[in-house]
Amino acid sequence: DAGITQSPRHKVTETGTPVTLRCHQTENHRYMYWYRQDPGHGLRLIHYSYGVKDTDKGEVSDGYSVSRSKTEDFLLTLESATSSQTSVYFCAISEGLAVLNEQFFGPGTRLTVL
Amino acid sequence: SQQGEEDPQALSIQEGENATMNCSYKTSINNLQWYRQNSGRGLVHLILIRSNEREKHSGRLRVTLDTSKKSSSLLITASRAADTASYFCATDADRGAQKLVFGQGTRLTINP
Repeated sequence: DAGITQSPRHKVTETGTPVTLRCHQTENHRYMYWYRQDPGHGLRLIHYSYGVKDTDKGEVSDGYSVSRSKTEDFLLTLESATSSQTSVYFCAISEGLAVLNEQFFGPGTRLTVL
Repeated sequence: SQQGEEDPQALSIQEGENATMNCSYKTSINNLQWYRQNSGRGLVHLILIRSNEREKHSGRLRVTLDTSKKSSSLLITASRAADTASYFCATDADRGAQKLVFGQGTRLTINP
């Protein structure tokens, strides 16, 4: 998977608890992305980063925050998890802008919020 | 609403047959990408076709782009069981944006 790992791979949590998902890359790519995948919605962009400490919102950013303090790590935080955030979360990276370059995806994290 | 929308939502064919999937989009694009997702895995990039290209090949894959109709097609020739997967098209949401928007995908099943 192009040197991308996600942790944890599976997590079950309760409503109202904070959750942090980690994406780690060894490719030194500038751009990193967080998507969620739900039946009937395909992949939707949550947040993305275009460099260390440089992030921007995606299509479905409400309820999520991100941080990127190092090139290789991109963290996704759910401050107070809700059942609607039950989903499969994918991290992706690209060397250049996603619209001009292929993206490489991690294996995904399956999150269940009870 | 989705920028790219695949058609059909599901396709089931016999091994050895060709599979064709279509993608339609709403606004002008810089390029269009196709990805494959095997069950339980992340997406894998297949091919990128730029707005000034009409056709592109990669192995058994053939992608066409018709910007006048705002549509693209992905053809997989001589299908194999290993081609069973979901296939997604992705485009930039608008020419000024720098983010990809994915369709909901076509679920392809190759029957032995």
